[in-house]
Amino acid sequence: DQQVKQNSPSLSVQEGRISILNCDYTNSMFDYFLWYKKYPAEGPTFLISISSIKDKNEDGRFTVFLNKSAKHLSLHIVPSQPGDSAVYFCAAIPQGGSEKLVFGKGTKLTVNP
Amino acid sequence: GAGVSQSPRYKVAKRGQDVALRCDPISGHVSLFWYQQALGQGPEFLTYFQNEAQLDKSGLPSDRFFAERPEGSVSTLKIQRTQQEDSAVYLCASSSPRGGGTDTQYFGPGTRLTVL
Repeated sequence: DQQVKQNSPSLSVQEGRISILNCDYTNSMFDYFLWYKKYPAEGPTFLISISSIKDKNEDGRFTVFLNKSAKHLSLHIVPSQPGDSAVYFCAAIPQGGSEKLVFGKGTKLTVNP
Repeated sequence: GAGVSQSPRYKVAKRGQDVALRCDPISGHVSLFWYQQALGQGPEFLTYFQNEAQLDKSGLPSDRFFAERPEGSVSTLKIQRTQQEDSAVYLCASSSPRGGGTDTQYFGPGTRLTVL
């Protein structure tokens, strides 16, 4: 059973517009959330994270929003650039334990010039 | 090189063969993780080391999978009697505890295993 869900397998946006990637989770024991970006034939690269005690974290063009009551987080990329085209994975870490990441299936973002 | 490296990058095995996948973490990183990524899926946790101690192996799918990190640095993931369902990309990640908070995991490029 998927504890972290990314329901959109793909997203296509125009360069300069906003990209919004969504993620839902079912386990209320998750207390830290991360977004990773992955290019073909490379490993995932850390992008941005958020603790469950916050509802927003911003880093340059990237902002992550967390809605704990809805068990939902989203990644906003503004403005989108063609180099942002990649697969984006949402991941969560449960409280305690080994800090293992629980990943969603990913959303493939394509930014068109 | 400052990143996590993995070898081989690609491995083709006949069903029933044993394989060994190597991970060189970032120098000084205490924690090391192995993940399995099947086609079209997100990475799934296999096992975790802190130094040489294997603290969590709950994700290993069967007793054919074995991981070690004898000196607390390089790690090897061994798969015995490979099966077709073992075909996947095997990712290694390392992180360094900063004391409190959660540490970023840095991933290697992965080893793509194909079992024929």
